[in-house]
Amino acid sequence: NAGVTQTPKFQVLKTGQSMTLQCAQDMNHEYMSWYRQDPGMGLRLIHYSVGAGITDQGEVPNGYNVSRSTTEDFPLRLLSAAPSQTSVYFCASRHRDRGTYEQYFGPGTRLTVT
Amino acid sequence: SQQGEEDPQALSIQEGENATMNCSYKTSINNLQWYRQNSGRGLVHLILIRSNEREKHSGRLRVTLDTSKKSSSLLITASRAADTASYFCAYEGNFGNEKLTFGTGTRLTIIP
Repeated sequence: NAGVTQTPKFQVLKTGQSMTLQCAQDMNHEYMSWYRQDPGMGLRLIHYSVGAGITDQGEVPNGYNVSRSTTEDFPLRLLSAAPSQTSVYFCASRHRDRGTYEQYFGPGTRLTVT
Repeated sequence: SQQGEEDPQALSIQEGENATMNCSYKTSINNLQWYRQNSGRGLVHLILIRSNEREKHSGRLRVTLDTSKKSSSLLITASRAADTASYFCAYEGNFGNEKLTFGTGTRLTIIP
């Protein structure tokens, strides 16, 4: 299994540009989520999904959209990039209702908005 | 913000010593987990403790949970250079939404 994969690894955007961060998992996990990590802030939840067709907002959803058309994929869209969105983005997944709860993380996407 | 807090923010110890880091949170929880992050990498799950448990062991890791104080601690015994990393606690509140809230992390450096 490849686990959780994210692309791209690095990205530089200009203010106002849009882009999509890709996330895929091959573990048939129902639950997927996106976090951003900023220095001294830990990880903050942006959006999450408990299954295909179901998404919900996390702690810091403004400026981001998500969709979940398949179990495997959970892309994160930046609608109009702002310098405040400069961060490292992590995608994670886990099973639901298995009693384990541990999340599996991707390697991250480092985004810089100028 | 419901974000958990960890202390210390940074910890440097000699190889072979024990390392203890603490996590405090603000809500009722279903479980609390600890993750490790090596520099420039994603997070890796270490151990989970449920709200009805007080202590749990996994290899050189020992986790305690005090729900009355809303706090947890992670003890790494007989530290190794490879333990150098950032450690994060994360808890799932019992609100039924399955969200995981992370603490701010402890940066651990093991001096060979």
